[in-house]
Amino acid sequence: EPEVTQTPSHQVTQMGQEVILRCVPISNHLYFYWYRQILGQKVEFLVSFYNNEISEKSEIFDDQFSVERPDGSNFTLKIRSTKLEDSAMYFCASNFLGPTDTQYFGPGTRLTVL
Amino acid sequence: DQQVKQNSPSLSVQEGRISILNCDYTNSMFDYFLWYKKYPAEGPTFLISISSIKDKNEDGRFTVFLNKSAKHLSLHIVPSQPGDSAVYFCAASVETSGSRLTFGEGTQLTVNP
Repeated sequence: EPEVTQTPSHQVTQMGQEVILRCVPISNHLYFYWYRQILGQKVEFLVSFYNNEISEKSEIFDDQFSVERPDGSNFTLKIRSTKLEDSAMYFCASNFLGPTDTQYFGPGTRLTVL
Repeated sequence: DQQVKQNSPSLSVQEGRISILNCDYTNSMFDYFLWYKKYPAEGPTFLISISSIKDKNEDGRFTVFLNKSAKHLSLHIVPSQPGDSAVYFCAASVETSGSRLTFGEGTQLTVNP
């Protein structure tokens, strides 16, 4: 069964450094998403992406964040200058039909900012 | 953000019995609801969904009930199995205005053999 994959599984970085989290969505999916879950808190929506542009973003997704689909398979989340409060699990998700379709999640990347 | 709330952080049931997980929401614009299951070190796994035009959806051992007037949904698992032990999240979206899922806090279900 096709699945969303994410790399790395765990990323440790120093405050102020840039990180790129990578995702390979399910191959025929057209809509891509990033969510995060800070330890002990809810899963929160960050951004959705369709047709090579951001279709929706949350108030969390400020200028420090960017997303890109650099090729036909990868979907990346970049954090330009990490802060301590960016430490969280970051989940990528994808689906085919967008708002009318179930989102399928990857296993997550644990980001630790020191 | 309290738009989706799961008031029970944990639930413990005996194998073979029914598990009932509850979820309340405040945003009357939500029209699509989902339940996800999550094991440690894994991402959320889709279980079952329901559109606001229905009040019940069933898939094997899993049934989701939606009470729009009470802004309440529940997930029933019958019979419960030890492998069902996981964190269960309800999530909601407004289909006509985008794909953003709003999640509840999660309920840790433990099914005892």
